[in-house]
Amino acid sequence: DVKVTQSSRYLVKRTGEKVFLECVQDMDHENMFWYRQDPGLGLRLIYFSYDVKMKEKGDIPEGYSVSREKKERFSLILESASTNQTSMYLCASIETSLNYNEQFFGPGTRLTVL
Amino acid sequence: EDKVVQSPLSLVVHEGDTVTLNCSYEVTNFRSLLWYKQEKKAPTFLFMLTSSGIEKKSGRLSSILDKKELFSILNITATQTGDSAVYLCAVANFGNEKLTFGTGTRLTIIP
Repeated sequence: DVKVTQSSRYLVKRTGEKVFLECVQDMDHENMFWYRQDPGLGLRLIYFSYDVKMKEKGDIPEGYSVSREKKERFSLILESASTNQTSMYLCASIETSLNYNEQFFGPGTRLTVL
Repeated sequence: EDKVVQSPLSLVVHEGDTVTLNCSYEVTNFRSLLWYKQEKKAPTFLFMLTSSGIEKKSGRLSSILDKKELFSILNITATQTGDSAVYLCAVANFGNEKLTFGTGTRLTIIP
């Protein structure tokens, strides 16, 4: 079974802190995604990566950056956390762009910024 | 800008009822429409639809796509409390790798 894991289920940080959210997949998938999910807004794409060291902005990249140094790991970075970044963060990966039915999600990280 | 709209936003029904969830979309270069079920944590895949008029079925769940009218429906018959979840609709288009999600429909089944 494909497994997508995220480093923390719950995280509490203070305004201005640098925050790292880690995502690891174990099936050699090329494409990885970071979403945030907020009530009434659904899932919104922050960034995605289609290969090592490659990244593309999604719909709401402001305030975030990403890093993909190894194929299995995709990190989301909040350089200076703000309260409006309190949200559920979901990581996902797919094998190829032809197989969206193979998109797998991690369990999510609920981040609270105080 | 690509847009996916789901309705209703929430729905409360009694166990045994049949429900229909709606998803309409406006995207350029449509490729496929996907349905996910999300309980307490990560969304899990239900269906992927690419062609109009072909019903996909899995147990009590079924879905169909209308590419002319740009919508899809997800039907759940003989609902059970385990069907309580948020149901997400997403659309993929050719030319990029990302999915555009709707806001979801929160379904609650009362015993």
